[in-house]
Amino acid sequence: DTGVSQNPRHKITKRGQNVTFRCDPISEHNRLYWYRQTLGQGPEFLTYFQNEAQLEKSRLLSDRFSAERPKGSFSTLEIQRTEQGDSAMYLCASSIYAGELFFGEGSRLTVL
Amino acid sequence: AQTVTQSQPEMSVQEAETVTLSCTYDTSENNYYLFWYKQPPSRQMILVIRQEAYKQQNATENRFSVNFQKAAKSFSLKISDSQLGDTAMYFCAIPRSGAGSYQLTFGKGTKLSVIP
Repeated sequence: DTGVSQNPRHKITKRGQNVTFRCDPISEHNRLYWYRQTLGQGPEFLTYFQNEAQLEKSRLLSDRFSAERPKGSFSTLEIQRTEQGDSAMYLCASSIYAGELFFGEGSRLTVL
Repeated sequence: AQTVTQSQPEMSVQEAETVTLSCTYDTSENNYYLFWYKQPPSRQMILVIRQEAYKQQNATENRFSVNFQKAAKSFSLKISDSQLGDTAMYFCAIPRSGAGSYQLTFGKGTKLSVIP
């Protein structure tokens, strides 16, 4: 499978714990995006990488959120001190061309 | 700021019939892309169709076509000969103004059910 891969697919955690999600984009894609999707809503942009550089961050991305793409390949999204409001589907996407995003299946976070 | 409005939270269509999903948007850009994405139940989101705003001709991809009205900022999706596999959430999206990354702003989506 050469699509975008996300792990874990589902994470259940207690409030206050840290969680990390991983995204492996399509290998030749230099652009990588993280989005968050809550029930009944469309995806909301969180952050964007071009190669290893994090070029844009949404105001939605509080200080508890950090994302990295250390070698311009896979990316991680860490949420520290999780809150119940962080419960959502976290989507990773990659692209070469403007706007034509290829999405992974998402990582669903449930904070108890 | 970008806004994308999908006014139909849910729709249903009989198999083999035609359905149109509506989308209106607001942007300060003059040249931009518009997108429809499909998100089947428990599966990843995929691109259905893309329209370039400077092109007057409406985009078509097999059974999917758009009706793009630039002046009205309207971008509807028509699905012809609906199939059971078309059952999904459909999201309209536009790039955020000034975003060099072409990050997308999505609407809230329309849940389409194709009835056998």
